[in-house]
Amino acid sequence: QSVLTQPPSVSAAPGQKVTISCSGSSSNIGNNYVSWYQHLPGTAPKLLIYESNKRPSGIPDRFSGSKSGTSATLGITGLQTGDEADYYCGTWDSSLSAWVFGGGTKLTVL
Amino acid sequence: EVQLLESGGGLVQPDGSLRLSCAASGFTFSSSGMSWVRQAPGKGLEWVSGVSGSGGTSYYADSVKGRFTISRDNSKDTLYLQMNSLRAEDTAVYYCAKGGGSYTMDVWGQGTTVTVSS
Repeated sequence: QSVLTQPPSVSAAPGQKVTISCSGSSSNIGNNYVSWYQHLPGTAPKLLIYESNKRPSGIPDRFSGSKSGTSATLGITGLQTGDEADYYCGTWDSSLSAWVFGGGTKLTVL
Repeated sequence: EVQLLESGGGLVQPDGSLRLSCAASGFTFSSSGMSWVRQAPGKGLEWVSGVSGSGGTSYYADSVKGRFTISRDNSKDTLYLQMNSLRAEDTAVYYCAKGGGSYTMDVWGQGTTVTVSS
């Protein structure tokens, strides 16, 4: 059971928009920045969003992040087949003194 | 270019030990916290351990506390994970990542595979 809660899967058609939610508590999302990662198993996870809503250099603006209270959301617009991957939210948990991840969300582009 | 290269994975028997290494380049290693994250077969990402830039502060997941030790050699730009008393459930791909703690993990290595089996 992950400390952060994500939906196991989401799907949408090419060109459409999808959002992935991440729910936590005051000890993690509520008081710390959230990061989002794209991961294909066996490859290096890729940082998509840091400090809850900032994109690293090279990440297209199709990817966006937001945070409200103890929840965060990743948005992806203009879906492409190449976006099919697992997506994880993560943040520091001040009570656990540990980094915590969501269970991951598998994105399928139909 | 920031690069992280893990090594040291392999097949080990239950209760055995293994030391993973992560060679860093392209950034000021001693100024950056570092972390280990793993992914067991069919499972999600699990944070394992983190260490401050100086090496003076370290953190561990409850699942590995008392068995794993994180360390770093800033003169060699290398991060380590000493894993003792290994269990089948430690079988995973282990990634090292730049960052951690209250900072994002922004760059990750390709991973090294650890298999614990008799």
